[in-house]
Amino acid sequence: EPEVTQTPSHQVTQMGQEVILRCVPISNHLYFYWYRQILGQKVEFLVSFYNNEISEKSEIFDDQFSVERPDGSNFTLKIRSTKLEDSAMYFCASSESRGGALGNQPQHFGDGTRLSIL
Amino acid sequence: LAKTTQPISMDSYEGQEVNITCSHNNIATNDYITWYQQFPSQGPRFIIQGYKTKVTNEVASLFIPADRKSSTLSLPRVSLSDTAVYYCLVAYEGAGSYQLTFGKGTKLSVIP
Repeated sequence: EPEVTQTPSHQVTQMGQEVILRCVPISNHLYFYWYRQILGQKVEFLVSFYNNEISEKSEIFDDQFSVERPDGSNFTLKIRSTKLEDSAMYFCASSESRGGALGNQPQHFGDGTRLSIL
Repeated sequence: LAKTTQPISMDSYEGQEVNITCSHNNIATNDYITWYQQFPSQGPRFIIQGYKTKVTNEVASLFIPADRKSSTLSLPRVSLSDTAVYYCLVAYEGAGSYQLTFGKGTKLSVIP
């Protein structure tokens, strides 16, 4: 069964540094998402991406965050200047068509990147 | 104010049916309601999705009343491997955009 893969599994970064989290969505999927989960808390939506542009974003997704699909297979999340509170698990997801809001396609999640800010 | 509510935890014996309800007032009119399962150190795994009434697949059923203000995930005859956190995912409409919102999750513990 096709999977969403995320790299690295664990990223340790000094506060203030830039970090890029990488995801390879399922190959025929068109919608891509990033979520984060702070330890012990619920999963929080960050952003959805379709046709090379952001479809929806949450209040969490401020100017420090950006997303990109640099080629036909990767989907990245960049945090420009990391803060201690950015420490969390970051999950990438993809769906065939619009998943969740106004869509009937389930999102498939990767197993996440644990980001630790020191 | 958009709010999604689930019980924090539930315990069940093996072989029993488990029902987990998520309350979600004023979700987006045309949105589907989706439930996910999450094991420690893994991403959420899709269980079931529905729009209204009842949906059943090989692992679960989902009951959605006509007002769509809640949904109930039903797991028949749970086993120890069903011990996990279960989340509902809905969308709220506001200010020209849709916000995907997970519930806080229900930690299900299956007891032998």
